[in-house]
Amino acid sequence: DSGVTQTPKHLITATGQRVTLRCSPRSGDLSVYWYQQSLDQGLQFLIQYYNGEERAKGNILERFSAQQFPDLHSELNLSSLELGDSALYFCASSVESGLAKNIQYFGAGTRLSVL
Amino acid sequence: LAKTTQPISMDSYEGQEVNITCSHNNIATNDYITWYQQFPSQGPRFIIQGYKTKVTNEVASLFIPADRKSSTLSLPRVSLSDTAVYYCLVGDLPTGTASKLTFGTGTRLQVTL
Repeated sequence: DSGVTQTPKHLITATGQRVTLRCSPRSGDLSVYWYQQSLDQGLQFLIQYYNGEERAKGNILERFSAQQFPDLHSELNLSSLELGDSALYFCASSVESGLAKNIQYFGAGTRLSVL
Repeated sequence: LAKTTQPISMDSYEGQEVNITCSHNNIATNDYITWYQQFPSQGPRFIIQGYKTKVTNEVASLFIPADRKSSTLSLPRVSLSDTAVYYCLVGDLPTGTASKLTFGTGTRLQVTL
């Protein structure tokens, strides 16, 4: 168990809809990262938050947005969903200092199916 | 963030040592080299991390030459349960290089009897 919790595990929805994925980082980790992994593809970095503030953006679509709350949990919002958004979405967290500062701990992921 | 190149796939028999090499020619001074393992439909799991020379833990060794332009993950005596995708990631997360984070397609290791 990585200590990172993602909910829900599975999500099935229709095109055009909006969904919210939730992530609770490991206790004490201030950074949260979101990744998308399509079938048989590598992980694509979407966005990073650090202590409530957006720190870095990757290949995140304008239809997608995220935020990190004061209790450090994060939500990824996906809107106007398309069939191609079907994928595994992973959240990871990390500390900012010390020996483990470059290690990301990943959650089990949310599998999104857009029908 | 340094771009990495790994073999797409490797095959091994159970009990053999497996070495997976990652090329990262434009690694920066502050960058660390981190390897992750991913099983199907699971999140990547940290295996080992290093900056230079050799690092060893209970599951693997990481060899990094002096120029740091490549690294080799060594898995001793693999078993069927080591069948997974292995990713090499190079960067320094706290200094804001996350915007270029990419795990690439990794190396798919298949272990057979």
